[in-house]
Amino acid sequence: EVQLVQSGAEVKKPGESLKISCKGSEYSFSRYWIGWVRQMPGKGLEWMGIIYPDDSDTEYSPSFQGQVSISADKSINTAYLQWSSLMASDTAIYYCARPVGVAGTGFYFDYWGQGTLVTVSS
Amino acid sequence: DIQMTQSPSTLSASVGDRVTITCRARQSISRYLAWYQQKPGKAPKLLIYKASSLQSGVPSRFSGSGSGTEFTLTISSLQPDDVATYYCQQHKSNLGTFGGGTKVEI
Repeated sequence: EVQLVQSGAEVKKPGESLKISCKGSEYSFSRYWIGWVRQMPGKGLEWMGIIYPDDSDTEYSPSFQGQVSISADKSINTAYLQWSSLMASDTAIYYCARPVGVAGTGFYFDYWGQGTLVTVSS
Repeated sequence: DIQMTQSPSTLSASVGDRVTITCRARQSISRYLAWYQQKPGKAPKLLIYKASSLQSGVPSRFSGSGSGTEFTLTISSLQPDDVATYYCQQHKSNLGTFGGGTKVEI
């Protein structure tokens, strides 16, 4: 069965950098997009962006463009979400998920990782 | 961005009740709408895609309908295991957007 396993919880200070990961297995990782979704404490789901591991084509939601960086290493079936300078408002659970869809339209997520809690506090 | 709005934000019902959640899009999204269930402390789970296609393994008491700008998720007979927050998401554009969520309580 398809699995997405995310890295563990992180506690960071404002201004620090961070890279969290999501490893896919039991499917052809490089041939499917992979996406990231934010969930702030007690709030709803927010689409951050997606990447196609085979060629690293990336699309960001306008709200997250320039705020985070999404990358992937297809040789180890792993996608990443990275911050160069964290803020307290980045405190949230971050999910990776596999987008699927029909060519010419958008994507929905059929498999999800377990989530990574990122806490940013001084 | 295509804005999505759900109602109600919270819903309280009894076991066995028929429950309906509504999702509206600011512009037409044809039938490109998905529904997810998120239980407390867990990752979301896909229930329905393309407005009415049931994801494999999802109980048949869940159904979806609608097109254009108005959609509904129906639970035909509410079960204790259905306590969760439900989200809609448009999948017409590459940058999907979610509704604000509907919390279902018993």
